[in-house]
Amino acid sequence: AQTVTQSQPEMSVQEAETVTLSCTYDTSESDYYLFWYKQPPSRQMILVIRQEAYKQQNATENRFSVNFQKAAKSFSLKISDSQLGDAAMYFCASYSGGGADGLTFGKGTHLIIQP
Amino acid sequence: DTGVSQNPRHKITKRGQNVTFRCDPISEHNRLYWYRQTLGQGPEFLTYFQNEAQLEKSRLLSDRFSAERPKGSFSTLEIQRTEQGDSAMYLCASSFQTGSGANVLTFGAGSRLTVL
Repeated sequence: AQTVTQSQPEMSVQEAETVTLSCTYDTSESDYYLFWYKQPPSRQMILVIRQEAYKQQNATENRFSVNFQKAAKSFSLKISDSQLGDAAMYFCASYSGGGADGLTFGKGTHLIIQP
Repeated sequence: DTGVSQNPRHKITKRGQNVTFRCDPISEHNRLYWYRQTLGQGPEFLTYFQNEAQLEKSRLLSDRFSAERPKGSFSTLEIQRTEQGDSAMYLCASSFQTGSGANVLTFGAGSRLTVL
């Protein structure tokens, strides 16, 4: 079984600043994938970024990047130049190659952007 | 194709009634997932289909819950004899997955159930 832990229920950042959201996970699988999803208020969940566990290079998507520490089972999300539209719930999720259970999600971090 | 569509968006019902939610996935996607999300929590896996076959069910899916995907296209999730504890957002997601590899799910906007 996989578990995903997000220890920050809420984070706040000033517009244009940088914020890092934490995530740790536990899995016995050697082949797995990690994701960050964003869920804006009353809107659908969308994929922000993904990381293949076999890749050492950290994934980057524009202002979003991850710090993947495989040995520590840590997968944090860094948002640079925060914008008001980044305000949302952010969920960390894992998926193993066997894939029967789909994604396993953390409880989420509520990100507030201060103008 | 406009993505994953879920209906109704919000359903209010009285305890003991039956409700049904529908999900229309992205047409070329072979996998379809149902998740449940309660306030302050991340989505929890309920069940998934590969084409029309239901391949996995969570222990969260009691015998009052049933899901179908009769032709491998849309899916329905029915809850019989609803209880107040069933109040939640029911999320549908789809993906195209063959063999191994990252399984990138596309989510619908969800169907919110309120049981009075």
